[in-house]
Order: sequence, then C-alpha cells, then structure tokens
Amino acid sequence: NAGVTQTPKFRVLKTGQSMTLLCAQDMNHEYMYWYRQDPGMGLRLIHYSVGEGTTAKGEVPDGYNVSRLKKQNFLLGLESAAPSQTSVYFCASRSIRGTGRSSYNEQFFGPGTRLTVL
Amino acid sequence: QKEVEQDPGPLSVPEGAIVSLNCTYSNSAFQYFMWYRQYSRKGPELLMYTYSSGNKEDGRFTAQVDKSSKYISLFIRDSQPSDSATYLCAMSARNTPLVFGKGTRLSVIA
Repeated sequence: NAGVTQTPKFRVLKTGQSMTLLCAQDMNHEYMYWYRQDPGMGLRLIHYSVGEGTTAKGEVPDGYNVSRLKKQNFLLGLESAAPSQTSVYFCASRSIRGTGRSSYNEQFFGPGTRLTVL
Repeated sequence: QKEVEQDPGPLSVPEGAIVSLNCTYSNSAFQYFMWYRQYSRKGPELLMYTYSSGNKEDGRFTAQVDKSSKYISLFIRDSQPSDSATYLCAMSARNTPLVFGKGTRLSVIA
C-alpha cells in the first residue's frame, strides 16, 4: 500500500496562474481532506469530502475548489493563485478504528505539497 | 478565542527529561482527542487517541484528558532525540472534522 500520495511535491506559481493538486489514496477510505499548514497557524481545513461525488467547505475555503470524481482521488484547484496561498498543502484520508463507543477516526496524511506563489 | 489553543514553543529539553505538552479548548462538545506527531517536512501521523476523559498510556507516552477543565496533555517519559518533532493536538465532536492546535515544536538535545 502506498497510503496517501500527493502530486506534485513542489511548485512555484506566478500570481494569477492556476494549478491542480492531486491526492490519491489506496486504502478505500470514504472521507478525504485538504489542509494548508502555515507557520504559526497550524493545520487549517480547506475542503473535505465524505464520499465520491461529494464535497464540503472547511475553515478556509475561499480561493480553492475541489472535486471528488473517483473515490480514490481528491483534487484541489487554485483558479487564480495569490501570494497568500503560499503554503504547504496536506491531503488526508480517514479510516475508522475499533468498534462501538471505543471507535475513533484516524487520519492518514500525505507527504505534502510545498507551493510558492510569487 | 480559537477553539483549540496550543503553545507553539519551541521547547528544548535534555535527553531523558520528562516532556509535558498541553492544549486547551473551548468547545464542550469535543469528545475525541488526539495527538499527532509531525517530523520536519513530513505529514502528521497519529500518536495517541483518547475518548472523553481519562488517561491512556502507550510505552513512554501518556495522554490525559480533563473535560471539566477543557485541558488535554501529552507526557513523554525518558525523552529521546528521535522524539524531536512538532506535536499537534486535535479534537472533534461526533461526526465533525478534526480541529487542530497550532503545534508545539520539541527539540530533545543529546
């Protein structure tokens, strides 16, 4: 199992350019997430999906769009990149561990994409 | 006030020390509490999980949750240089996304 993979690992964009970040998981998880991580800000949820064909907004969705056409893939798009979107982007998928009251959700994270917008 | 507060550090300790990492939160609906460890330039990975109040121990790591005080802690005994990482607390209510703290950067000096 490769787990959660992200493409690309690094990217430099100019202001106004567009790009798509790809996240893929081979664990058959229903839930997938996109986060951004900035110094001093921690992990902030951008968008998430609870299954194929569904998406929902997180804490900081503005300037981003997402699509979940296939269960194993979750795409994050930047239509018109801005310097404020310079960040490290992490994708995650979720599994449920245990049963009943002791069950909990474990998120598996990808290695991240470092994006710089000039 | 953010839902989850965590001192970002950095925290530097000598090898063998006991480390205490903490988070406070404001949402009384939170009932699932986790600690993630993130090495430099890597994605976070789940370290400890606790449901509701109480303690949980796993080797050198102990997680504590005090829901009455809205306070959670992670203790690391006999800290090692390999424990040097950023530790993020995370928590959620039932069927809601995780909310992460900002993370505390820990360095264990040999």
